[in-house]
Formats: sequence, structure tokens, C-alpha cells
Amino acid sequence: DQQVKQNSPSLSVQEGRISILNCDYTNSMFDYFLWYKKYPAEGPTFLISISSIKDKNEDGRFTVFLNKSAKHLSLHIVPSQPGDSAVYFCAARGQYNNNDMRFGAGTRLTVKP
Amino acid sequence: NAGVTQTPKFQVLKTGQSMTLQCAQDMNHNSMYWYRQDPGMGLRLIYYSASEGTTDKGEVPNGYNVSRLNKREFSLRLESAAPSQTSVYFCASNLSVLGGYTFGSGTRLTVV
Repeated sequence: DQQVKQNSPSLSVQEGRISILNCDYTNSMFDYFLWYKKYPAEGPTFLISISSIKDKNEDGRFTVFLNKSAKHLSLHIVPSQPGDSAVYFCAARGQYNNNDMRFGAGTRLTVKP
Repeated sequence: NAGVTQTPKFQVLKTGQSMTLQCAQDMNHNSMYWYRQDPGMGLRLIYYSASEGTTDKGEVPNGYNVSRLNKREFSLRLESAAPSQTSVYFCASNLSVLGGYTFGSGTRLTVV
């Protein structure tokens, strides 16, 4: 059972515009959420995280929003740049086993010049 | 600044063969992980080691064994490879319960 879902396999946006990547989760015990970015032939790299006690976390061009009641989080990239083109994975971890991190299937973002 | 190093980068095995995937980190991290990535499935946790001397099963442990040799090294062993184990394998490490993992660049394994 996939407890973390990214329903959009791909997203294409114009350079300078906003990219919004979405993620849903089913396990109400998840209390820490992360976004990773992955380029081809490389491992994922950590991008930004948010604890369940917050509803927003911002780091430069990247902002993550958490809606606990809807079990939904999103990653906003503003403004989008061609170098942001990559696969983005959403991940979540529970309070009772913080070593068991579950990942979504990923969304491939393409930013067009 | 090596981070997490995985070897080999590519491997082709015949069904039934065994092999060990190696992983080493030089960041003095306590926890280490093995994930596999399959198309449309994201990354799935195979095994993890929360600290030196301990290992635990993850979401998909069947067909694998692990060894936390010391604080730096965490190896993944396939005793009898099957085509279903064709995948990209990632090793990761983490210093504490907060923050993201540091991943290696992966091992692409094909079992024929």
C-alpha cells in the first residue's frame, strides 16, 4: 500500500513561473515531511522539510505547505528555473519509527526556457 | 567531500547468483539505509541500521540481508538473485532523526 502518493507523474512550466508539486498521504501517524530532488544518474538530494506542528516552511525559492486535515502537502518553486528540471520526491516519516521514511513515486518537473 | 559512496555503479547478475552491494559514508552518521527504486514505485526501504551493531527490516526485506560492519559501512547482500530484484539501489545515511538523508549515487542492478 502506497502511503505517500504523488498523482502527477509529470509537470511542465515556463521559466519564471510558479511550479506547484502536490503530494497526498494516508497515514495519520506521519509527522515529518520532506521533499527531495533527483537528477538522472544521481541519488536524491534533500530539499526542504516540514514538521506537522507547522503549516508552512520557506527556504529561498522553495516553500512547502502542509494541510494536515486534508493529508496534503505541496512544494512551490518561485520563480522556476531550467536548472530545477528534475524528479521531485515527497517523503514522510512517522513519530513511532522515524527510520521508516516512505516515498512517493515522484513527479518529473520540466522548466522550459 | 565524498559523502556516501556506493560500489559498484552497475552490475549484471544471472538468476541464482549472489553479490554484495557496498556502501560507506564519511560523515560520522549514526543511521544508514538501503532503498530500491522501481519505476512508478518511488523508493522503498529494504533495511536500515539505526546505529552501529543494529539492523532492522524495512518495507521490502525479502531476499536481502545486511551487515553494519562498523559505523562507516553498511552492505546489502543478495544471496540468490531473482529477476524481481532488478532495480536501482540507493544507500543513504543520516546523523539524527531530523533533517534529510544523504544518498549515494546508486547501483543499477540487472538480474537476467
